[in-house]
Amino acid sequence: DAGVIQSPRHEVTEMGQEVTLRCKPISGHDYLFWYRQTMMRGLELLIYFNNNVPIDDSGMPEDRFSAKMPNASFSTLKIQPSEPRDSAVYFCASRRTWQGGNEQFFGPGTRLTVL
Amino acid sequence: AQTVTQSQPEMSVQEAETVTLSCTYDTSENNYYLFWYKQPPSRQMILVIRQEAYKQQNATENRFSVNFQKAAKSFSLKISDSQLGDTAMYFCAFLNLLEKLVFGKGTKLTVNP
Repeated sequence: DAGVIQSPRHEVTEMGQEVTLRCKPISGHDYLFWYRQTMMRGLELLIYFNNNVPIDDSGMPEDRFSAKMPNASFSTLKIQPSEPRDSAVYFCASRRTWQGGNEQFFGPGTRLTVL
Repeated sequence: AQTVTQSQPEMSVQEAETVTLSCTYDTSENNYYLFWYKQPPSRQMILVIRQEAYKQQNATENRFSVNFQKAAKSFSLKISDSQLGDTAMYFCAFLNLLEKLVFGKGTKLTVNP
């Protein structure tokens, strides 16, 4: 299995630009999670999907952030317009219902820098 | 809201020795899961060990073991025979019934040769 795939691995953009982060979960997993990691706030859950449906987006910081999951094998996290305070590492994770131990499998993360 | 506290921002240990990382959490739930994740400089999040709250027996995975004290809401990680490759950030995490994984701030562990 290829694991959770995220792209790009690194993204540098200028303030005001639109940023799209992509995630491909592990095949067969029906839960998908987006996290953000910063020095100040640590690891935070932004939003998660079950069977492609957003279940809880209470962690999304503001309306500039949006996430979609058009099918079981693809999800995007979009920031429009981006701001320097959005600079962070964004992780995608997935898991399968009733998988032993409820383990979430993390992707390698996308390091976003907004100048 | 659930919280996870790791009181040791940094720790160091000599190679081959044993080290224990502390974690406490706050919840009113009775059924939940606890995890320790390792994040090396590559930043990949790697599951080290998990514990189901309904199990009294402490989980072990090779050199890694936990001391789970449910009443005290404590979940410490013991690493035996520390290796240089154990150098990483270690995060304690709590999974609640709403599927939210709540992380502590992490402990930076350095294994010295």
